[in-house]
Amino acid sequence: ELKVEQNPLFLSMQEGKNYTIYCNYSTTSDRLYWYRQDPGKSLESLFVLLSNGAVKQEGRLMASLDTKARLSTLHITAAVHDLSATYFCAVGAMDSNYQLIWGAGTKLIIKP
Amino acid sequence: DSGVTQTPKHLITATGQRVTLRCSPRSGDLSVYWYQQSLDQGLQFLIQYYNGEERAKGNILERFSAQQFPDLHSELNLSSLELGDSALYFCASSPQAGGPVDTQYFGPGTRLTVL
Repeated sequence: ELKVEQNPLFLSMQEGKNYTIYCNYSTTSDRLYWYRQDPGKSLESLFVLLSNGAVKQEGRLMASLDTKARLSTLHITAAVHDLSATYFCAVGAMDSNYQLIWGAGTKLIIKP
Repeated sequence: DSGVTQTPKHLITATGQRVTLRCSPRSGDLSVYWYQQSLDQGLQFLIQYYNGEERAKGNILERFSAQQFPDLHSELNLSSLELGDSALYFCASSPQAGGPVDTQYFGPGTRLTVL
């Protein structure tokens, strides 16, 4: 069974700092998504990572994928308050026609 | 705005009742997914339809059912409602059946409150 673990589950940080959210998964996959959710709102797709070594960047967020380590990271550079949200990773299960298995989410609070 | 629409936005009902949630996918998308998100919980995948056919089932209760119509909109039916069914219900759509490059786009959700 494919399991996806995110850590930390909760992160409070100061503006201007850097931090990384980790997403580990338990079986083979070469497709990983990062989504953002604001409180009470819908989920917005941030990144799709489709191969080993894939790196994507948007503003202060950078996501990477290491399929050999079964690990993706979401790195936040010089955090700003507007990045406060819950971040989910989701992994496509290759043996289930790429059904997405979701992490529990990381609630990120960035204090001014 | 993802292009996925859901109605209603809010729904308040009593235990034992039945409700129907509606979802219209993005133009051209063939797959519809339903998710449940309880307060402070992660996403629970319920069910997927692709071009009118059930494609995958997740943790969907027997009291819940769904269908996708010829015009590709989908409905999620929740019956014999319990307090624990109170949650945000999201619909997502994607162009294909969940292949390697299929991104899911989420609707705004329906907040269901069971009293």
